[in-house]
Amino acid sequence: DAKTTQPNSMESNEEEPVHLPCNHSTISGTDYIHWYRQLPSQGPEYVIHGFTSNVNNRMASLAIAEDRKSSTLILHRATLRDAAVYYCILRMRTGGGADGLTFGKGTHLIIQP
Amino acid sequence: GAGVSQSPSNKVTEKGKDVELRCDPISGHTALYWYRQSLGQGLEFLIYFQGNSAPDKSGLPSDRFSAERTGGSVSTLTIQRTQQEDSAVYLCASSSAGLAVPYEQYFGPGTRLTVT
Repeated sequence: DAKTTQPNSMESNEEEPVHLPCNHSTISGTDYIHWYRQLPSQGPEYVIHGFTSNVNNRMASLAIAEDRKSSTLILHRATLRDAAVYYCILRMRTGGGADGLTFGKGTHLIIQP
Repeated sequence: GAGVSQSPSNKVTEKGKDVELRCDPISGHTALYWYRQSLGQGLEFLIYFQGNSAPDKSGLPSDRFSAERTGGSVSTLTIQRTQQEDSAVYLCASSSAGLAVPYEQYFGPGTRLTVT
């Protein structure tokens, strides 16, 4: 899997928007961009994924650069429950599309009340 | 519906003993994965089952680790002759699987293994 780069940690205030960046300059033409998060003492949780177009769901939005070499996960109004480690992961579109995830170190998001 | 379940939630064992960890995936999910997360470390992929196909064992750290999946559903991860470095949280995940689209994985709560 192509490598992703994320800041080690970020801090934000409750009820403010949060923009979590991810660099994936070596992304291939068949890679999807997936985001997962892991709350303290829990297993990872799927957040969102995209390919080229920006995506929205009930949890977050994903903004993908036009050249696909970077993306940003957007939490529109952070709550204390959003404090977690956020992982940006590239996944191949081919090869069954169900391979194991390669987790990096992710971004530790701290939310201040 | 029910999510991925794992048992036991905690397991303490003595060095050299064998342990079995169980995973019940979401009903209907054909793909099943095992990961582990050591203290202060990231998540490490171990093994992947897709339907009745031979598993992808590329992530297993040693031949002391093995896994099986019976009837395309429940899976057991076995660690033989446990070592202290095997202490970690072992996570199971399941997903639907298609030919092209990488589906999201749903994780269980994990089994915390402590080898004394």
